[in-house]
Amino acid sequence: DIQMTQSPSSLSASVGDRVTITCQASQAITNYLSWYQQKPGKAPKLLIYDASNLETGVPSRFSGSGSGTKFTFIISSLQPEDFATYYCQQYDNFPLTFGGGTKVEMK
Amino acid sequence: QLQLQESGPGLVKPSGTLSLTCAVSGDSINTDHWWSWVRQSPGKGLEWIGEIDQSGSTNYNPSLKSRVTLSIDVSKNSFSVRMTSVTAADTAIYYCARGGEKSSGWFDPWGQGTLVTVSS
Repeated sequence: DIQMTQSPSSLSASVGDRVTITCQASQAITNYLSWYQQKPGKAPKLLIYDASNLETGVPSRFSGSGSGTKFTFIISSLQPEDFATYYCQQYDNFPLTFGGGTKVEMK
Repeated sequence: QLQLQESGPGLVKPSGTLSLTCAVSGDSINTDHWWSWVRQSPGKGLEWIGEIDQSGSTNYNPSLKSRVTLSIDVSKNSFSVRMTSVTAADTAIYYCARGGEKSSGWFDPWGQGTLVTVSS
């Protein structure tokens, strides 16, 4: 299985901060990576696919980059509605696997 | 727009069988997309269970393959998961989601999820 390692597992930030989350794959996955946002009691919501493509309707403050084994997810200016948990997911190989999540909390 | 809704028993006895159905609305399930089940438990995070396409072709997570069967009913625009020999470790929120088109990919959209508790 491809292991997806997210870091940090949690972070504290303030509104307006730039937030960076990384996701490392245990083997190369080209750009077959997506990012999700999950709020308590809700299903995950797709934000980014193919490592850097913004899903329709998702604000442009969210961005993703990377290829191979190292990927980065950035929120350029954190908004109150962005406090949530974020997950990466690879779809290069079976079984499809997720990172352990990064909880973004209010400082 | 496309919506998915899970349904099924919220409580299953140990060694029993978990059965859930995902009703798809807003579009036909008879497309080139794969249809997936994903579960989330506090201990193991998000875990992909498997996927099925409109022809009935399947891919399973090897860790669950011996206990899981996916099926699809195009006439009812729904797909289902059946998991046998459940234990407390199978207690989780179960989500259905639309997967990639023609090949496995990202998940969008997701159903709201349904909590399944394994307990006597």
